[in-house]
Amino acid sequence: NAGVTQTPKFQVLKTGQSMTLQCAQDMNHEYMSWYRQDPGMGLRLIHYSVGAGITDQGEVPNGYNVSRSTTEDFPLRLLSAAPSQTSVYFCATRTSQLNTEAFFGQGTRLTVV
Amino acid sequence: AQRVTQPEKLLSVFKGAPVELKCNYSYSGSPELFWYVQYSRQRLQLLLRHISRESIKGFTADLNKGETSFHLKKPFAQEEDSAMYYCALSGNTGKLIFGQGTTLQVKP
Repeated sequence: NAGVTQTPKFQVLKTGQSMTLQCAQDMNHEYMSWYRQDPGMGLRLIHYSVGAGITDQGEVPNGYNVSRSTTEDFPLRLLSAAPSQTSVYFCATRTSQLNTEAFFGQGTRLTVV
Repeated sequence: AQRVTQPEKLLSVFKGAPVELKCNYSYSGSPELFWYVQYSRQRLQLLLRHISRESIKGFTADLNKGETSFHLKKPFAQEEDSAMYYCALSGNTGKLIFGQGTTLQVKP
């Protein structure tokens, strides 16, 4: 039982490059979310999904795309990386029941040069 | 709109001193409130949730709907409590929103 797995752990991109951050879960949780963590800004919600085929924008969606074709996977795509997207990215999952705990991946540290 | 505010970026106390990490929220419905903790080089993990009214590692938090607050308290801080603490709010849309985080530094 791996829980929430993010890949890669570290990535360096050049400005303008694209890439996909992967998030996979084996807990059969309906809800999945992507956050970015920046000093002084806390955790900010990028996109989230309440189930396969359903996604919605969070607080800071610009420059990112997501899709949810299966319950298990929720990839985050950077279309054209910018230095402002240098951050630590976290994927989280939880069930749709009230007051349930969110489980986090170990994070992806992305640097855009 | 959902909003969580943690006014303190850094809280530094001595071992054995009381701790209070502040959290205020804005939400028009019935909120689900949580405190998460991130120890150095570890994943974020749940510390406690308002619905449980429990004490975890000596920490408690009471939901005050009148003041829209959910402050985290501990009577006697320990060095192992040093970490980043996040207050979080979930509504009925599936979104889980976090505050800016407070770094707790417990000095020996």
